[in-house]
Amino acid sequence: AQSVSQHNHHVILSEAASLELGCNYSYGGTVNLFWYVQYPGQHLQLLLKYFSGDPLVKGIKGFEAEFIKSKFSFNLRKPSVQWSDTAEYFCAVRSGNTGKLIFGQGTTLQVKP
Amino acid sequence: ETGVTQTPRHLVMGMTNKKSLKCEQHLGHNAMYWYKQSAKKPLELMFVYNFKEQTENNSVPSRFSPECPNSSHLFLHLHTLQPEDSALYLCASSPALAGGAYEQYFGPGTRLTVT
Repeated sequence: AQSVSQHNHHVILSEAASLELGCNYSYGGTVNLFWYVQYPGQHLQLLLKYFSGDPLVKGIKGFEAEFIKSKFSFNLRKPSVQWSDTAEYFCAVRSGNTGKLIFGQGTTLQVKP
Repeated sequence: ETGVTQTPRHLVMGMTNKKSLKCEQHLGHNAMYWYKQSAKKPLELMFVYNFKEQTENNSVPSRFSPECPNSSHLFLHLHTLQPEDSALYLCASSPALAGGAYEQYFGPGTRLTVT
């Protein structure tokens, strides 16, 4: 069965620090990859997605992620975080054949001003 | 309104009550989804509808009963729930079920507490 693993459950950073959140998945076929963010009190919204092409994808608010097929990974990065990036981040994988999204358990990011 | 809306935003119900959650999407999408979000656990897909037809029931107990009267509306009927059913219930929609470069759009959720 497909699964998604986010290794960091709770990350605390100071403003301007660099961020990398890990995401690994288990599925051998074609996958679509997503990072969603949930700000406090708000709904889940898309940060970025990968379907094909350049494995380095850029999203909103300065976030980017790199798809490394050989490592089954799709790590999220941001060179310099801001206090407003405090939120919960979810990695999700969809197999190319179905619409079913499998989510990781999420990473809570706390940025200290 | 635009996007995906859910009502009510908060719901407290006893174990013998019957209630319904409502989801409406204003995006012209054809696929709609119910998810359960519990603390410290990944989002769990519950049901999938495509063009009003249920295509997936992810082993959800029968005390949860979905209904999709049209592509814009999705309901989740609740009856005789258990305290462990307390969670945030999220609705989502997407243009189609599969085969395209699109994401799912989520509503704000209904925070359900079962007492």
